[in-house]
Amino acid sequence: DIQMTQSPSSLSASVGERVTITCRASQGISSYLAWFQQKPGRVPKLLIYAASTLQSGVPSRFSGSGSGTAFSLTISSLQPEDVATYYCQKYDRAPLTFGGGTKVEI
Amino acid sequence: QVQLQQWGAGLLKPSETLSLTCAVSGGSFSGYYWSWIRQSPGKGLEWIGEINHSGTTNYSPSLKSRVTISVDTPKKWIFLILSSVTAADTGVYYCARYPILTGYPFWGQGTLVTVSS
Repeated sequence: DIQMTQSPSSLSASVGERVTITCRASQGISSYLAWFQQKPGRVPKLLIYAASTLQSGVPSRFSGSGSGTAFSLTISSLQPEDVATYYCQKYDRAPLTFGGGTKVEI
Repeated sequence: QVQLQQWGAGLLKPSETLSLTCAVSGGSFSGYYWSWIRQSPGKGLEWIGEINHSGTTNYSPSLKSRVTISVDTPKKWIFLILSSVTAADTGVYYCARYPILTGYPFWGQGTLVTVSS
């Protein structure tokens, strides 16, 4: 099965700073990659799908890139409300594996 | 506008069977795989398995021996059965839709299931 390796597992950055989270698949998954944001006690929120498509209503400071095995989520200017845990997930075929998560703090 | 409404028993004893239902409304049922995903307290997200409108299933290798996912296509209901639960099965269980070709993932609101003696 394809493994999803997400890094870093946690990071701390300043307001306004650019933040990048990476996700690597052990085999190619084309562009079937989603990014989710989860705040404590809340349902994971879809940010990006198809590796780079911004979900409707998501602020434009979030962007996704990559294809094949290497992907990234970038927050261009970190805001206080972006404090959350971020997960990548492959959905090309079963099993739909998640990355281990990245906890983002200010 | 698709909606996923979930329900099922929220408190189980060890060795009992977890049973959840997810009802789909407001959107297409075919053209997607319907997944169950869970999250144990303080842990990451775990994919449990999936089914399509014709009943084709795929399961997580780690849960395959205890999981059954089924579908009632006319009603657009998806079912999750997890047998012989333990405290490690405590968590929030989500029903979710994933596109087969194009489209975006969509998740339900989740159901908290607690396993305790």
